[in-house]
Amino acid sequence: AQSVTQLDSQVPVFEEAPVELRCNYSSSVSVYLFWYVQYPNQGLQLLLKYLSGSTLVKGINGFEAEFNKSQTSFHLRKPSVHISDTAEYFCAVSSQANNNDMRFGAGTRLTVKP
Amino acid sequence: DAGVTQSPTHLIKTRGQHVTLRCSPISGHKSVSWYQQVLGQGPQFIFQYYEKEERGRGNFPDRFSARQFPNYSSELNVNALLLGDSALYLCASSSWNTEAFFGQGTRLTVV
Repeated sequence: AQSVTQLDSQVPVFEEAPVELRCNYSSSVSVYLFWYVQYPNQGLQLLLKYLSGSTLVKGINGFEAEFNKSQTSFHLRKPSVHISDTAEYFCAVSSQANNNDMRFGAGTRLTVKP
Repeated sequence: DAGVTQSPTHLIKTRGQHVTLRCSPISGHKSVSWYQQVLGQGPQFIFQYYEKEERGRGNFPDRFSARQFPNYSSELNVNALLLGDSALYLCASSSWNTEAFFGQGTRLTVV
């Protein structure tokens, strides 16, 4: 079975500050890891994904994440956040590279304050 | 190209009724999955269909069912609605070499 734990339900941060959203996973098989963003009343948009290869993954909007197999983590980072980054962020794990059977975490609400 | 389209966008039903939600995948995508997102929670996997066959099922009761048509569109059916079925229902499609793309969802309210 696969599961994801997002360690922070809410993260408040000031504009232009760095941010890290934490995600731990558990799986008994090979994993594929994803971060999604959800703006109010919208669907999910893929930020980045780890399928294989380099453990540092770069995504859209300046976000990046690092896959750490020994710590079973996939934390999301951004060096300088903007007001527009305020949204809900979800970490997800899948047994398929085309991630059509994802298990999501409960989400982290990122609030960027001026 | 059109993205994943879901209909209707909003729906209000009464307890005990049944509901059908529809999803049209991105052209060329043969895999469709359904997720339930209760307010304040992450999406929960319900079903995956590929080439019209069920390939995965999450931990949902038998009141939930789905099917995929020859054109790869899909329907999610929920019978005997409960208040707890109120949620945003998301559909996602993918092909063999792409990640899943999500629709905007159907907001179901059960009263």
